[in-house]
Amino acid sequence: GDSVTQMEGPVTLSEEAFLTINCTYTATGYPSLFWYVQYPGEGLQLLLKATKADDKGSNKGFEATYRKETTSFHLEKGSVQVSDSAVYFCALFGNNRLAFGKGNQVVVIP
Amino acid sequence: NAGVTQTPKFRILKIGQSMTLQCTQDMNHNYMYWYRQDPGMGLKLIYYSVGAGITDKGEVPNGYNVSRSTTEDFPLRLELVAPSQTSVYFCASTWGVDTEAFFGQGTRLTVV
Repeated sequence: GDSVTQMEGPVTLSEEAFLTINCTYTATGYPSLFWYVQYPGEGLQLLLKATKADDKGSNKGFEATYRKETTSFHLEKGSVQVSDSAVYFCALFGNNRLAFGKGNQVVVIP
Repeated sequence: NAGVTQTPKFRILKIGQSMTLQCTQDMNHNYMYWYRQDPGMGLKLIYYSVGAGITDKGEVPNGYNVSRSTTEDFPLRLELVAPSQTSVYFCASTWGVDTEAFFGQGTRLTVV
């Protein structure tokens, strides 16, 4: 079935550093792709989305581009802040299912 | 507009007990989902529904059951719980395809 793979392990970086979280997907057809963020003790919230190839989703300084040729949707931010510390999930909607990757814990150190 | 409401927020059960997690949404969404979240394992899909009267199994349906008698409600039934069902459970709803999914606050269940 459709699935999402995120890079392994937590990400720890200093404030104002560049953040990249890798996400690749396997799907039949052309799914919509999403990044969700989860703050401690809360449910997930949509960060950004892209619905077709070459679309770029962006929000709060975060960006991700839907790359059909590499089946990827990597998340980037040019200069992270302490408030960006959270867990980030890549997701796709396909075949009526909303499937998530394992998530990456991001810790930003002042 | 309440969004997605899940109850209860916390629950401790003994092995072999049963309970129902409630999920209600007021956005008239067709698609609803139940996930469990274990540490470091992301969200695993338990059951989902594409509309009232229609439900389907996800990745990890064993030990769970659902019903969808109305558009608004999508309860998750746990029968004869086991320690392996200790987890955080999330309900979500969406219009589908390219639209945002809204999540409840989660239910933290511990089975002892």
